Formats: sequence, C-alpha cells, structure tokens
Amino acid sequence: LAKTTQPISMDSYEGQEVNITCSHNNIATNDYITWYQQFPSQGPRFIIQGYKTKVTNEVASLFIPADRKSSTLSLPRVSLSDTAVYYCLVGDRGSTLGRLYFGRGTQLTVWP
Amino acid sequence: GAGVSQSPSNKVTEKGKDVELRCDPISGHTALYWYRQSLGQGLEFLIYFQGNSAPDKSGLPSDRFSAERTGGSVSTLTIQRTQQEDSAVYLCASSLRGQGGIQYFGAGTRLSVL
Repeated sequence: LAKTTQPISMDSYEGQEVNITCSHNNIATNDYITWYQQFPSQGPRFIIQGYKTKVTNEVASLFIPADRKSSTLSLPRVSLSDTAVYYCLVGDRGSTLGRLYFGRGTQLTVWP
Repeated sequence: GAGVSQSPSNKVTEKGKDVELRCDPISGHTALYWYRQSLGQGLEFLIYFQGNSAPDKSGLPSDRFSAERTGGSVSTLTIQRTQQEDSAVYLCASSLRGQGGIQYFGAGTRLSVL
C-alpha cells in the first residue's frame, strides 16, 4: 500500500481557507485517496474521497494533480470546530485487504 | 442504530484481568474492523471481519487478543491477562461490502490497565 506523507501540524485562524497537502509518490493505478477527520475522544470520520482532478462536497474539496503523486484537502472558511487531526490515506477503493493505514495525521489548530 | 456503537465507553481494569469490548456495527454493514489507538498515535489495525469470518487477523499483537463476530453483526474483542501496555482506545468501524475505503467508526472504548 502506498505510503503517505503529510505535515505534522498546521495553524490557521477562523475564516481562513486551509490547504493540507499529502504526498503519495508510490500511488498505484487502482488507488483512491481518502481523507478522514478525527476530533478528540472520537473515532475518525470520513470526509472525502477522490481518484483524480477535483472532488467537492459540503465539507471540503480535494484537489488531485494529473500525476496523482500528491493531493490537497481544502477546507473553506474554517471555524474553531474544525480543529482536529486530518488523515490522508491511499488504497484500493474497496480496500479488499480490509485494513486502512492511518499515519500520524496533521493536527490542525484553528485560532480565534 | 444510526451509527457504530461501542461499549463500554471506558473500562478500568487491573493487570492480569480479562476484558471484553463490544461493537455493534451499522445495520447492513457486512465488514467490521477493530483498531487500537495509543495516546498521540495513529490507528493500529487489529482485525477485520467479512461476515462472521476473519480473513485478516495479522494485526492482533499477541495470543492474548481474540475477537469474534456472530450473526454477521455484533463483535466482541477479548483481551486476556491484560497488561499495562494494552492501555489504549479501542476503535471499531464498519463498512459496506466492497466499500472498505469508507469506514464508519464508533467513539471507541478507552481501556486503562492499572
């Protein structure tokens, strides 16, 4: 499974747009890119999944360049409640192996 | 239920005791997963069920750990002769068959071994 690299931490202020970039140089043809969010004392929560170009939902946007060796999660106009750990995962969409590989993630702290 | 339910939410036990952790997945989800998360760490995969079968048990850290799933629904993770290094949050997730990239997690059971 493709290894991912993302910043350990990021800081932002309320109302700003936050972009978290994840590197996955060894991504395979069948791999999708998935992002999860985890608040303290809660399990991770699925945010968004994509294969190429751009995906947008009510929570975030995911930008994937043509070579797919990286991806960027974009959170528009963050609020204090967006403070959480964000995980980037790469793997087969069906994840037939069962497991998901979570790294240390990116701790996003939003300040007032 | 609407989401994945885990019980108990907190468990304090003495070293050497056995503990059972329960997971009730989302109705209709055939796949069920157990993970462990230590303080400040990422998630460590433990075991995966498809129906009542466990095709991947490779993440179980020792033979003190076991899990079962009955009726394709509720799962129990059992830790025998608990050790202090077993202290962690144990998370359960479920997914639709063929959609293992999108897992729905419970709030976890925080296990403290004294």
